[in-house]
Amino acid sequence: IAGITQAPTSQILAAGRRMTLRCTQDMRHNAMYWYRQDLGLGLRLIHYSNTAGTTGKGEVPDGYSVSRANTDDFPLTLASAVPSQTSVYFCASSDSSGRADTQYFGPGTRLTVL
Amino acid sequence: GQNIDQPTEMTATEGAIVQINCTYQTSGFNGLFWYQQHAGEAPTFLSYNVLDGLEEKGRFSSFLSRSKGYSYLLLKELQMKDSASYLCAVRDGDYKLSFGAGTTVTVRA
Repeated sequence: IAGITQAPTSQILAAGRRMTLRCTQDMRHNAMYWYRQDLGLGLRLIHYSNTAGTTGKGEVPDGYSVSRANTDDFPLTLASAVPSQTSVYFCASSDSSGRADTQYFGPGTRLTVL
Repeated sequence: GQNIDQPTEMTATEGAIVQINCTYQTSGFNGLFWYQQHAGEAPTFLSYNVLDGLEEKGRFSSFLSRSKGYSYLLLKELQMKDSASYLCAVRDGDYKLSFGAGTTVTVRA
């Protein structure tokens, strides 16, 4: 069982380019999340999906979009990357039917926008 | 908005005890989580508190006081491998997690 996988592991991107970060989970969790982690700011929620076919905005959604066509995949797209989107991106999932609803994180994608 | 505060850094000696405090002000409360994150890695779940009191799990314990908006994570018998960042996270009234900036713990021999 792989848990959550993310691709790519790292990427250097020119400003203005379009980029999709991939996230796949094999735990059949219904909820999935995208966070960015910046030094001194902690993890901040970008977008989330409570179940396949639905998405919602988090704390810092501007410049990002997501889709949830099925249970397993939750890609994050930067339509036109800017340097302020340089960050480490973590995907997470949870079984929201559980009492604790613990979120489990993928290994992260380190993105640099020049 | 959410406000979650925890110290930036702490240093302790191998075998000692360290207590990491977390205070929070959030819109609603549906549980508090502690995660451990080693440098360059993903956060991993440590503990969950939703009722007041102490939850013990091996060398790690977590305490919650909802009336005070306060939690702590206690790490006992520190080992070198415990050097990491510890993240306090609160699930708010909308069931979204808000994270503190994290406390970097350095364990010295």
